Amino acid sequence: AQKITQTQPGMFVQEKEAVTLDCTYDTSDQSYGLFWYKQPSSGEMIFLIYQGSYDEQNATEGRYSLNFQKARKSANLVISASQLGDSAMYFCAMREAVYGNNRLAFGKGNQVVVIP
Amino acid sequence: KAGVTQTPRYLIKTRGQQVTLSCSPISGHRSVSWYQQTPGQGLQFLFEYFSETQRNKGNFPGRFSGRQFSNSRSEMNVSTLELGDSALYLCASSFGLQGMNTEAFFGQGTRLTVV
Repeated sequence: AQKITQTQPGMFVQEKEAVTLDCTYDTSDQSYGLFWYKQPSSGEMIFLIYQGSYDEQNATEGRYSLNFQKARKSANLVISASQLGDSAMYFCAMREAVYGNNRLAFGKGNQVVVIP
Repeated sequence: KAGVTQTPRYLIKTRGQQVTLSCSPISGHRSVSWYQQTPGQGLQFLFEYFSETQRNKGNFPGRFSGRQFSNSRSEMNVSTLELGDSALYLCASSFGLQGMNTEAFFGQGTRLTVV
């Protein structure tokens, strides 16, 4: 079964506008972590933001914020004030405590293109 | 500090050959995970090593193997290459296994093409 679902098609975003990327997840574990990564065309996966399942407040990191709705099992990424350098693939990932290690399950990703 | 280093960056092999990819984690990190990324299957977990021991393994055939050395550097090996093994192989480095927010830092990957 798919653990992480990212279903949005490729998105074009106007520079300086905000964009929201959807992510829903499936787990029966109570303790888990949710991550967002950015992958530019160079291939490297760049860590953006983390949300723990027990964190009561939504995570924020600079222009990135995570809209965490635990009951709905969603962890949407919000990028504010988009920049041209934000053009990339964005991946949502989950780590479940049951594995007791660093194994990440990734979604299929969202393609974002920022236009001037 | 230096990031995660993967070598080589690009590789072309023919079917039936074997290949070894290398990953040097961030200094002080003891956990190394490997992922395969293809357009069809996306990112899939291969295996993880911590302190020279394989901690977990994904659903891949036995042709895929790995190891970790005492300096935490890791290698993965794919024997009897198939066309479907063409992919971007990513290595992730983490400090340890404690804590759910153990951040994983990725390298730039090795792009393997099997012809």
